[in-house]
Amino acid sequence: QSVLTQPPSVSGAPGQRVTISCTGSSSNIGAGYDVHWYQQLPGTAPKLLIYGNSNRPSGVPDRFSGSKSGTSASLAITGLQAEDEADYYCQSYDSSLSGSRGCGVFGTGTKVTVL
Amino acid sequence: EVQLVETGGGLIQPGGSLRLSCAASGFTVSSNYMSWVRQAPGKGLEWVSVIYSGGSTYYADSVKGRFTISRDNSKNTLYLQMNSLRAEDTAVYYCARDGGDYPSAFDYWGQGTLVTVSS
Repeated sequence: QSVLTQPPSVSGAPGQRVTISCTGSSSNIGAGYDVHWYQQLPGTAPKLLIYGNSNRPSGVPDRFSGSKSGTSASLAITGLQAEDEADYYCQSYDSSLSGSRGCGVFGTGTKVTVL
Repeated sequence: EVQLVETGGGLIQPGGSLRLSCAASGFTVSSNYMSWVRQAPGKGLEWVSVIYSGGSTYYADSVKGRFTISRDNSKNTLYLQMNSLRAEDTAVYYCARDGGDYPSAFDYWGQGTLVTVSS
């Protein structure tokens, strides 16, 4: 069950900036849980893109950035490139589900198209 | 180098059972949280289950009572036993290291194994 809402699609020309929103609630993002972002290229497994709201793992270009505020988070891609065409998912935890830290929840996913 | 390799997927009839395996290398499964995540054809990601390093297990409501996550420390392997399978369980199943290098994030994923539930 997706409790995090993302726009189905965003698009932009090469070199432009696009943003993807991830809207949650007081039981997940608003409860203080970190938000992570994943990139999934066609036919491949997801890849961690942003962790802890705004941090990039080593090897991820600084064109990708993340932020979090209140019950929402955002992923920004600046200097859009053809290779960025992929599906993007946010992920957090939800305290309404079982587990000592809540259980994982993913966003609905956003397809980024490079025009 | 960290690697996760899932096996065990296939075509199974509704009501049947299947066990997925996820062989890990480059790190110790029992020292980490490990999760299963699935993706139905053309759909988004859905978290399925987690096993904590201490052994506690948790499940999504959609699989609770039907799926069991476990691990074999001697084989450094994670498992997902799936019983009473339904058509809606059809998906690619990924195992992922949960909170390894980066707290609470899935930092390494396997390539996935496809489970098709159909008569």
